[in-house]
Amino acid sequence: QKEVEQNSGPLSVPEGAIASLNCTYSDRGSQSFFWYRQYSGKSPELIMSIYSNGDKEDGRFTAQLNKASQYVSLLIRDSQPSDSATYLCAVMGSGAGSYQLTFGKGTKLSVIP
Amino acid sequence: EAGVTQSPTHLIKTRGQQATLRCSPISGHTSVYWYQQALGLGLQFLLWYDEGEERNRGNFPPRFSGRQFPNYSSELNVNALELEDSALYLCASRPGLAGSVGIQYFGAGTRLSVL
Repeated sequence: QKEVEQNSGPLSVPEGAIASLNCTYSDRGSQSFFWYRQYSGKSPELIMSIYSNGDKEDGRFTAQLNKASQYVSLLIRDSQPSDSATYLCAVMGSGAGSYQLTFGKGTKLSVIP
Repeated sequence: EAGVTQSPTHLIKTRGQQATLRCSPISGHTSVYWYQQALGLGLQFLLWYDEGEERNRGNFPPRFSGRQFPNYSSELNVNALELEDSALYLCASRPGLAGSVGIQYFGAGTRLSVL
């Protein structure tokens, strides 16, 4: 069973701080990784994708990938109250699972003004 | 451009009944995914349809089924409803086999309550 693990939180950070969200996955053959944001009562929306080892930056968001350690992270710089949401890590499977995503349970982030 | 639309927004059924949920993908998208999001369990993959065919299904019993119509809209059917089927059911679409699997666009969901 392919698994994606995240700390459920809640993770509380003060406004302006860096929020660090972590994710580990079990399928060593996975090649594509995604972060979705889900506001309370809303549907998930894609905010970042990463395919290669290293860092990928997009505005205040940085995704980090280490395939050897099977580890993905999302950093949010200058956190804002509007960033308060649940962040879902999603991994595209390998082999028979290469056309579907496996989601973690999500980390709830709360940014305190 | 209209996003992914799902209907109904809420559905209340009693145990043993059948539920039908509907999804219209973004125009031009041929792949439709169904997910169940139950409290505390995260997003669980249910079914994937592309070009009218079921391509894969998750670890759910056969009473969860569906289909995709020629216009790429999709229907999820849940037979013999059980209390634990109460959840938010999300539909997502993407452009098709040529598009990135991970870039999916979600609808607002159908909240199914089984009493």
